[in-house]
Amino acid sequence: AQSVTQPDIHITVSEGASLELRCNYSYGATPYLFWYVQSPGQGLQLLLKYFSGDTLVQGIKGFEAEFKRSQSSFNLRKPSVHWSDAAEYFCAVGANAGNMLTFGGGTRLMVKP
Amino acid sequence: KAGVTQTPRYLIKTRGQQVTLSCSPISGHRSVSWYQQTPGQGLQFLFEYFSETQRNKGNFPGRFSGRQFSNSRSEMNVSTLELGDSALYLCASSPGQGGRTDTQYFGPGTRLTVL
Repeated sequence: AQSVTQPDIHITVSEGASLELRCNYSYGATPYLFWYVQSPGQGLQLLLKYFSGDTLVQGIKGFEAEFKRSQSSFNLRKPSVHWSDAAEYFCAVGANAGNMLTFGGGTRLMVKP
Repeated sequence: KAGVTQTPRYLIKTRGQQVTLSCSPISGHRSVSWYQQTPGQGLQFLFEYFSETQRNKGNFPGRFSGRQFSNSRSEMNVSTLELGDSALYLCASSPGQGGRTDTQYFGPGTRLTVL
């Protein structure tokens, strides 16, 4: 069975600083990896995904993530954080058997002015 | 294209009652998945429907059930509600072709409170 770990429950960064959110997964085969963002009281918005190919993937809102098979990681990065990025971020892994995502526990991002 | 819609957005029920939540997927999408989100357990997969058939099921008791109609709209039902069923229920749709993982697009959720 697959699993996802997001080691950081809360992260606070200053506006304009760089950001890296960590995600480690456990899955026997090539994973399908996703990052979603959730604002309070809202659903999940897809930031980016990795299915295959180039291990550095670009997403919306200036986010990118790098798939590292040797480290079983899929960390999310942004070079300069904006106050509107404050939200909760979820990493998820999908198996090659339909649409059944396993999510990490989430990282809540706070942005200091 | 319109996004995923869920109704109602908020619901208050009492223990022992049952509830039905509805989800309309993005036009053309044939797969609908349901997730439960709680502060304690996080986001957990409930089930997936594709072409009116349950294709995957998570580890939830039989009180949780669902169905999908020929127009791909889906409903989930929870019977004999318990306090622990209070949660945000999220629906996600995807094209669903081929049986592999697709990109899922989520609705705004239904916030269920059980008193």
